[in-house]
Amino acid sequence: DTAVSQTPKYLVTQMGNDKSIKCEQNLGHDTMYWYKQDSKKFLKIMFSYNNKELIINETVPNRFSPKSPDKAHLNLHINSLELGDSAVYFCASSQGASVNQETQYFGPGTRLLVL
Amino acid sequence: LAKTTQPISMDSYEGQEVNITCSHNNIATNDYITWYQQFPSQGPRFIIQGYKTKVTNEVASLFIPADRKSSTLSLPRVSLSDTAVYYCLVVGRGYNKLIFGAGTRLAVHP
Repeated sequence: DTAVSQTPKYLVTQMGNDKSIKCEQNLGHDTMYWYKQDSKKFLKIMFSYNNKELIINETVPNRFSPKSPDKAHLNLHINSLELGDSAVYFCASSQGASVNQETQYFGPGTRLLVL
Repeated sequence: LAKTTQPISMDSYEGQEVNITCSHNNIATNDYITWYQQFPSQGPRFIIQGYKTKVTNEVASLFIPADRKSSTLSLPRVSLSDTAVYYCLVVGRGYNKLIFGAGTRLAVHP
């Protein structure tokens, strides 16, 4: 059973397009996250979200927006894609919101290439 | 946010013990130290977490000195399957700038 799943696994698209990446967790966790891993392998948090609070990394452009239809899903919508958005995007989840102590469970990643 | 510094890469051989040290000089009182492992084309996977002294689980040990300004991940008797990138993560309650860093690339040779 896949704990944290993402779709699609690969996404190739043109500049200017709008795309969404879906994430689902079946762990019953309260908090979900989106990370971006760039070509240098730095993994940076973009958003964290639980049923009470959305926390946004202020460095993330507002073209990126998380959408959560329910506690088990946190989708990432990206408007007007740019070349610099090419990266691997990871979804993760944790039981609670105290991230300094929480174990995060990561999905397999979505490899986005913007042409 | 406590910045972490790790070696970029390490090499080892099967059966050896591997120690990876992470420096985090400005760690705060509420910060925990967590290590993750990442294989190619996969998401990071939790290995171990600690606050002080020593923590051991079925996979690894984590040694944290009294000043908590560094930590050492110890992998006993590594195998080829331990070849991966290992990230040291120090996170406090203000986690909206959480960055894993470049990690340490461990290569285990036969």
